[in-house]
Formats: sequence, C-alpha cells, structure tokens
Amino acid sequence: EPEVTQTPSHQVTQMGQEVILRCVPISNHLYFYWYRQILGQKVEFLVSFYNNEISEKSEIFDDQFSVERPDGSNFTLKIRSTKLEDSAMYFCASSVGPVREQYFGPGTRLTVT
Amino acid sequence: DQQVKQNSPSLSVQEGRISILNCDYTNSMFDYFLWYKKYPAEGPTFLISISSIKDKNEDGRFTVFLNKSAKHLSLHIVPSQPGDSAVYFCAASAPGGGADGLTFGKGTHLIIQP
Repeated sequence: EPEVTQTPSHQVTQMGQEVILRCVPISNHLYFYWYRQILGQKVEFLVSFYNNEISEKSEIFDDQFSVERPDGSNFTLKIRSTKLEDSAMYFCASSVGPVREQYFGPGTRLTVT
Repeated sequence: DQQVKQNSPSLSVQEGRISILNCDYTNSMFDYFLWYKKYPAEGPTFLISISSIKDKNEDGRFTVFLNKSAKHLSLHIVPSQPGDSAVYFCAASAPGGGADGLTFGKGTHLIIQP
C-alpha cells in the first residue's frame, strides 16, 4: 500500500541553524501539507501546497518557514533559523483532492538545542 | 482557541465491548470531519470520515455519527480489540477553496482492557 515517507526520522540542530525536512508524498496525490505537534500538544496545521504554490498557511507559518517541491516526488519544509520552540514532531501529509482524507507520514522529530 | 474539543483525555474499555469517543466543535463552517488513530512514534492513520451532508458513516467496526445541531460527532468501535489501543484524534475541515488544513482536537487515549 502506498505511503508517505519522511526523512530524517530525527534531526538535532543548534539554535539559529537552517534545517530542511523532506517528504515523499503518495505518488498520485496532488495536495501536500505540513503539520507539527509539540510534545504534549495537539497536531497543528502549518501549510498546504497545490500546483506548485502555497494554498493555505496558518499563523505559525511565518517568514522563517518555506516549502518547496523541488522535483516530481519530494516536498520539503525549510526552517531558516531554528528556535528552541521549533522543537516538535513535523508531519507531512498528502491527499488526492482538496476535501479528501489526508494521509500522514511517520514524522520527523526535530530537536533544537 | 479550541475549535475542536475532545474532552476525555483517556477512556478505558473492556475487550469486546463498544468504545465511544466523542468530539465537539465550535466552528459552524466545518463541513468535513475525520477520525485518526495514532500510535506512539508514528504519524496519524486515517480511520473514517464524514461529510456534513450525512449523519452517519460506517466502515467495518467503525461508525462515525454527526449531530450538526449539537456540533457533536462520535466514533463507535464495535467490538473493541486490543489493537485498538491508541490515541484517537478528531479533525475537521472548513471549505476554503483550496487545500484545506485540518483542525485537530487534543486526542483521546483509548485503552482496551483484556
């Protein structure tokens, strides 16, 4: 069964460094998303992406964040200058259509020290 | 601002019995609702969804009920099995014309007792 994959599974970085989290969505899906879950809190929407542009973004997704689909398979989330409060699980998701079930990857645990 | 609320942090149910997980929402613009299951160190797994034009959707052991007037939905699992032990998230989506982000509740930890 096709699934969303994410790399790395765990990323440790120092405050102020740039990180890139990578995702490979399900191949026939057209809509892509990033979410995060800070430890002990709920899953929060960051951004959605369709047709090579951002479709929707939340208040969390400020100028420090960017997304890109550099090729036909990868979908990346970049955090330009990480802060301690960026430490969280980051989940990528994809869906066939805009109002359809979103399928999540296993997540990347980002630890900012 | 909790637009999706799951008021029970945990629920314990005996194996073979019915598990009922509840979810309330405040945003009347929500028109699509989903339930996800999550094991530790894994991503949320989609279980079942329901559109606001329906009041019930069933898939095997899982049934979701939607009461729009009460802004309430519930997930029924019958019969409950040990593998159902996980955290269950309720999520909702409002029509935005594009790729809509989901708004999640805080989750309910379901524990199935043998």
